[in-house]
Amino acid sequence: RKEVEQDPGPFNVPEGATVAFNCTYSNSASQSFFWYRQDCRKEPKLLMSVYSSGNEDGRFTAQLNRASQYISLLIRDSKLSDSATYLCVVNDGSASKIIFGSGTRLSIRP
Amino acid sequence: DGGITQSPKYLFRKEGQNVTLSCEQNLNHDAMYWYRQDPGQGLRLIYYSQIVNDFQKGDIAEGYSVSREKKESFPLTVTSAQKNPTAFYLCASCNGGNQPQHFGDGTRLSIL
Repeated sequence: RKEVEQDPGPFNVPEGATVAFNCTYSNSASQSFFWYRQDCRKEPKLLMSVYSSGNEDGRFTAQLNRASQYISLLIRDSKLSDSATYLCVVNDGSASKIIFGSGTRLSIRP
Repeated sequence: DGGITQSPKYLFRKEGQNVTLSCEQNLNHDAMYWYRQDPGQGLRLIYYSQIVNDFQKGDIAEGYSVSREKKESFPLTVTSAQKNPTAFYLCASCNGGNQPQHFGDGTRLSIL
């Protein structure tokens, strides 16, 4: 089993739709969680950290479920500009063990 | 402005040649990382360094070498032993555990 797993997609949804995807992790000792966005041929950029109580940043909501060991990202009112690959990142608390998922591709159509 | 600078943006390697990719950060981060990304694939860790003069192999270190003589700098050498070097190379840094990584804008390496 991979340490961090994501559905590769692609998710193809119409503009204005709500879309959600999950990321599962295997290490129950994981302490910090992030979502990154990566555009084609560009570097990953931090989208948001994921906090235990869940957190929201505009149209984006991140949730953490420790019991089931997954994090989720919800995008409301999706825009064309949201088309990208979304990477989840899990850290066990040490700078040496940062694990990236392979990414979920999202495509928003007009 | 603080950030991570990678250079060059594009690099071409001849067969048998070693090439060095530069990564400099002015974020005062202790930890620095090198990743390789192949088309349609996730990031794979090549090397990382948590402190000056110390570095550790990642998952795919063979054919690569690094140095960390200064906190700000973490250059990656792609040696001739790396038989399939064509990829997108990303450098990242962070300020210890539980902190998000910040990435440079990458170097694309191709074989001539």
